[in-house]
Amino acid sequence: GAGVSQSPRYKVAKRGQDVALRCDPISGHVSLFWYQQALGQGPEFLTYFQNEAQLDKSGLPSDRFFAERPEGSVSTLKIQRTQQEDSAVYLCASKGWGTIQETQYFGPGTRLLVL
Amino acid sequence: SQQGEEDPQALSIQEGENATMNCSYKTSINNLQWYRQNSGRGLVHLILIRSNEREKHSGRLRVTLDTSKKSSSLLITASRAADTASYFCARGPNFGNEKLTFGTGTRLTIIP
Repeated sequence: GAGVSQSPRYKVAKRGQDVALRCDPISGHVSLFWYQQALGQGPEFLTYFQNEAQLDKSGLPSDRFFAERPEGSVSTLKIQRTQQEDSAVYLCASKGWGTIQETQYFGPGTRLLVL
Repeated sequence: SQQGEEDPQALSIQEGENATMNCSYKTSINNLQWYRQNSGRGLVHLILIRSNEREKHSGRLRVTLDTSKKSSSLLITASRAADTASYFCARGPNFGNEKLTFGTGTRLTIIP
């Protein structure tokens, strides 16, 4: 079946612009995660949803970052007033439900470049 | 911040040889996972090992876990050019916390 999809795949923004990144999880997956991956580093957790509820947003680096999942499926990560340090790949992952479903399935990512 | 360290940071071997990558972490775990990332297929799950397991196999992959040393290793046997990628260990899910905490990664290059 279809995997996790993200759009756009690439985004160039001028410093100060707002951007919105979209994630379509695997159909039926309850959990959805956002990660940020800087060049040459491992992904770092940003936030986590279970259905429409945002259960953990401890990794969001500032109040310029906002995520939502209003209907418990598609999610949007919004970054306001982008800064150069926001340049990174933003990865979305989804996960099924149940104690045996520990695997997160990742999308291809959105590469954001802030000039 | 990342709480795992992979060792080595980079590894180049000849095709057919075995590759071993190590991961150390600082806090207790329930689960540890290994992921592979390359430009073609993105971040792909390889193996999950639980804290009560010492070794796990999947095809040419073997993962070991030593909770007393807070370390894990990934062995790839009979390497192929297609194994060229970055490999990450990730702690989680742990103690009801669903997030994954990734290490810094090992960049593996297989020389044909």
